[in-house]
Amino acid sequence: DTAVSQTPKYLVTQMGNDKSIKCEQNLGHDTMYWYKQDSKKFLKIMFSYNNKELIINETVPNRFSPKSPDKAHLNLHINSLELGDSAVYFCASSLTGNYGYTFGSGTRLTVV
Amino acid sequence: SQQGEEDPQALSIQEGENATMNCSYKTSINNLQWYRQNSGRGLVHLILIRSNEREKHSGRLRVTLDTSKKSSSLLITASRAADTASYFCATAVYGNNRLAFGKGNQVVVIP
Repeated sequence: DTAVSQTPKYLVTQMGNDKSIKCEQNLGHDTMYWYKQDSKKFLKIMFSYNNKELIINETVPNRFSPKSPDKAHLNLHINSLELGDSAVYFCASSLTGNYGYTFGSGTRLTVV
Repeated sequence: SQQGEEDPQALSIQEGENATMNCSYKTSINNLQWYRQNSGRGLVHLILIRSNEREKHSGRLRVTLDTSKKSSSLLITASRAADTASYFCATAVYGNNRLAFGKGNQVVVIP
């Protein structure tokens, strides 16, 4: 009955690899997000989808590509991973209208 | 761009004491929200205060909003060890579903 679930929870991979993180929400929310949290705990939005349509695309390297097959799912694919990509990536969802977000538990990505 | 800036960055208090943290922001907002993050976990929504509200309560939490000073405060009364966490404020602007998060306050409640 998890509201926003992300997989995997931990991801350790070598530089240059390609990896994906998956996110699913069962709250009936129409908007989903990817945030990146750095080592100083600063949270920065990366992408947002509303009803499968990309509405926010921050200045993120094009190695990062989100995909939303339906409004309950938002995946993040990262190509050619770099050391600086190491961070915790959070998926979140909300209802349009500026209500609170519901966050997943995060995916800790470590690039070695 | 980063909206909220919490102050202070780290707070250590004894159980039972009150904890207060502040947040300032730069632009007009629709609402301001506070979140808690326990170590190694996701953020949990605590409370939302709209721009036309000045104070809001939820259990042991009290949030104030001063739009003239572009600032908010979060008060946790009668703190418990379980309140140990990082607390973030986040702002939402009109017509935009994007939340901009501040840096976060680390609160440690000593039993």
